[in-house]
Amino acid sequence: QSALTQPRSVSGSPGQSITISCTGTSSDVGGYHYVSWYQQYLGKAPKLIIYDVTKRPSGVPDRFSGSKSGNTASLTISGLQAEDEAEYHCCSYAGSSTLFGGGTKLTVL
Amino acid sequence: EVQLVESGGGLVQPGGSLRLSCAASGFTFTNYAISWVRQAPGKGLEWVSAIGGSGAVTYYAESVKGRFTISRDNSKNTVYLQMNSLRTEDTATYYCATRMVYFDYWGQGTLVTVSS
Repeated sequence: QSALTQPRSVSGSPGQSITISCTGTSSDVGGYHYVSWYQQYLGKAPKLIIYDVTKRPSGVPDRFSGSKSGNTASLTISGLQAEDEAEYHCCSYAGSSTLFGGGTKLTVL
Repeated sequence: EVQLVESGGGLVQPGGSLRLSCAASGFTFTNYAISWVRQAPGKGLEWVSAIGGSGAVTYYAESVKGRFTISRDNSKNTVYLQMNSLRTEDTATYYCATRMVYFDYWGQGTLVTVSS
């Protein structure tokens, strides 16, 4: 199975909103309600920020939101802050395996 | 507090073997599947393998099937990843994480370098 497709990079100014897309197939993103998103700072372990497409773990700001339409999932960060500059990875359950996207570097201008 | 601590990484020659360990604490270990996820230098994340809470069910990515074996010792709250026939493309930081459908807790990772 191929990795999920994410843009290599996105950017935005403080206070703006950005959206990162994650495209898969009907065998992964489109077939299950199990899309998750992770924030990763350089040299650190990933941190779960969205699971089950739209749910936020305790402690994650509501500026982070997730959605899905067909085979494409999206992560939206509103009210962009300097601390949001990081790598973001999408992930989808795919039956007997789990797939990640290639990661998206978010730059806060 | 949930803690996952990986160990066992290091430098190994192509074709060699290595066993990674993931020691868990702070939660009811048998209630959770545990996964291994790796990240090659400068690359994205790749799910490698998962094991159910009882150890009866295991899953593997196609890239490691037949070479890697995941197991767990619930008396020691520890999950293992036995890696055989290692290739240069297996070079990565290996993380253990809770669950398989999504990963809510992660360890700090252990670096595996496959090189001659």
